[in-house]
Amino acid sequence: DAKTTQPTSMDCAEGRAANLPCNHSTISGNEYVYWYRQIHSQGPQYIIHGLKNNETNEMASLIITEDRKSSTLILPHATLRDTAVYYCIVRSRMDSSYKLIFGSGTRLLVRP
Amino acid sequence: GAVVSQHPSRVICKSGTSVKIECRSLDFQATTMFWYRQFPKQSLMLMATSNEGSKATYEQGVEKDKFLINHASLTLSTLTVTSAHPEDSSFYICSARVEQGAGELFFGEGSRLTVL
Repeated sequence: DAKTTQPTSMDCAEGRAANLPCNHSTISGNEYVYWYRQIHSQGPQYIIHGLKNNETNEMASLIITEDRKSSTLILPHATLRDTAVYYCIVRSRMDSSYKLIFGSGTRLLVRP
Repeated sequence: GAVVSQHPSRVICKSGTSVKIECRSLDFQATTMFWYRQFPKQSLMLMATSNEGSKATYEQGVEKDKFLINHASLTLSTLTVTSAHPEDSSFYICSARVEQGAGELFFGEGSRLTVL
């Protein structure tokens, strides 16, 4: 699977949008971009995934660049409960193992 | 989203004993489940893939005789840490794959093992 690069940490003010970037410059055409987050001492939580089109759900929006080499996860109105480590993961849709390999992630701190 | 439950959430045991952790998919069937471990301030490390009705597939460097995995039904996988030692103290997390759609994984709450 392609590797991803994320900033180690970020912070934003409560109520503002949090934009978390992810670089996946070696992504191939059949690979999805997945985002998960992990709040301290809990299991990871699925947020969103996409292939090439922008996606939005009740939690977040995912913006994927046209060349698919990078993406941004957007939390439109961050709350204190959004403080967590956010993982961007690339996985092939053809990968029958379905396993997810986690990188280091971005530690997001939402400030009051 | 789909619900995955782990039990126990916390366990403390003496060195040399074995500990079993259960992972259940509560509202769906999962032919494939995954076990991860996580040390403090580190990312999740995949240990093994648990397949219903067949032997688990272990990642490189993970001792299969140390970490026994059983996936006897479509809703239950168990991880047994045998002859546990202090270095096995960690946060163990399971996940299960939803069969439909893109096959996204849902994770349990995690089980914190402390070996004295």
